[in-house]
Amino acid sequence: DARVTQTPRHKVTEMGQEVTMRCQPILGHNTVFWYRQTMMQGLELLAYFRNRAPLDDSGMPKDRFSAEMPDATLATLKIQPSEPRDSAVYFCASGFSGYEQYFGPGTRLTVT
Amino acid sequence: GESVGLHLPTLSVQEGDNSIINCAYSNSASDYFIWYKQESGKGPQFIIDIRSNMDKRQGQRVTVLLNKTVKHLSLQIAATQPGDSAVYFCAESQDSGYSTLTFGKGTMLLVSP
Repeated sequence: DARVTQTPRHKVTEMGQEVTMRCQPILGHNTVFWYRQTMMQGLELLAYFRNRAPLDDSGMPKDRFSAEMPDATLATLKIQPSEPRDSAVYFCASGFSGYEQYFGPGTRLTVT
Repeated sequence: GESVGLHLPTLSVQEGDNSIINCAYSNSASDYFIWYKQESGKGPQFIIDIRSNMDKRQGQRVTVLLNKTVKHLSLQIAATQPGDSAVYFCAESQDSGYSTLTFGKGTMLLVSP
């Protein structure tokens, strides 16, 4: 059945390194979201795209985070340079012009 | 209900009991609400939704109630099963047509056999 996929599932890296997370939305979905989940803050919206165009990235620290959709089947979230406070689970979700969002399994990032 | 800080509110029930999970939302302009279930190590999974022009909606073993007067949402799970153990999030949307959701902090449901 159709589902959102994310890679890698786990990533451990050292402070200062670049991290790239990838997401493949469900085929046919035109809206893609990036969320970060931590115990303290819960689920926070970082950025989202509609028809590959960025609509809102106000939840994202601009100095180190960037989100792109090179094509309709791939969304990327990049952190450069990474910091320990970026340790979290990052979720991608996709939807089609409605409110329902389908989440991927997440990327668990640990920055040491 | 909503959590504060590190600790999620936890609801512990026995298998077969009915569960009620509560959520207070903040924005009276919100027009759409969703309940998600998140099992350990997985992404949130859609359970049921409701629009602001309704006060009740039923699904399979689940019912969502919306009280706009007090900005309160609840999820009722009938005949709770061990597989229902998870963290449950309510989410609200204020951006009609733009599909952005604001999530609550979540409630952990523990079901013992």
